[in-house]
Amino acid sequence: QQQVKQSPQSLIVQKGGISIINCAYENTAFDYFPWYQQFPGKGPALLIAIRPDVSEKKEGRFTISFNKSAKQFSLHIMDSQPGDSATYFCAVGSSGGYNKLIFGAGTRLAVHP
Amino acid sequence: GAGVSQSPSNKVTEKGKDVELRCDPISGHTALYWYRQSLGQGLEFLIYFQGNSAPDKSGLPSDRFSAERTGGSVSTLTIQRTQQEDSAVYLCASSRVRTGELFFGEGSRLTVL
Repeated sequence: QQQVKQSPQSLIVQKGGISIINCAYENTAFDYFPWYQQFPGKGPALLIAIRPDVSEKKEGRFTISFNKSAKQFSLHIMDSQPGDSATYFCAVGSSGGYNKLIFGAGTRLAVHP
Repeated sequence: GAGVSQSPSNKVTEKGKDVELRCDPISGHTALYWYRQSLGQGLEFLIYFQGNSAPDKSGLPSDRFSAERTGGSVSTLTIQRTQQEDSAVYLCASSRVRTGELFFGEGSRLTVL
């Protein structure tokens, strides 16, 4: 059973454009929603995270939008740059107990100059 | 270095051989995780260690897979009688309990011929 569904699988955006990646989850017990960024040959690194007490969180050009009722959250990258080209993973977790994260399948983003 | 260290970075083995992958977490991090990343796929949870508690082995795909963590620090993931479907990048991560952020190593790429 897929607990988190991520889309699209791949995305091509022109420099300066907006990149949008979506995730949907099933279990309402999840209360931690991070996005990780992975460059080739490297391990994933935390980009931005949100908890369900807010509907939006912004850090620089990166914004998470969270819709609790729809059980969906999305990553928006404003003014996308070629250096943003990477694979992005959403994840879901529960703060009850420990930080076991369940990851989405990933989105490969290419930003063309 | 201050990050999570994994070795070997690359391992090529023949089907049926046993392999050991090592992870050295960030000093002071009590939680340690193993994930598997198959080509073009997401991150599959394998096992989690937290202090002296019994590990969460719920993600191990078969009894050919095992892991231990000695002295609350270094961890070894062992795959016995390797199969071609075991080919993947094995990622280790560590975290402080309840911060939510996982710090990943660069992974060990396993190729089973």
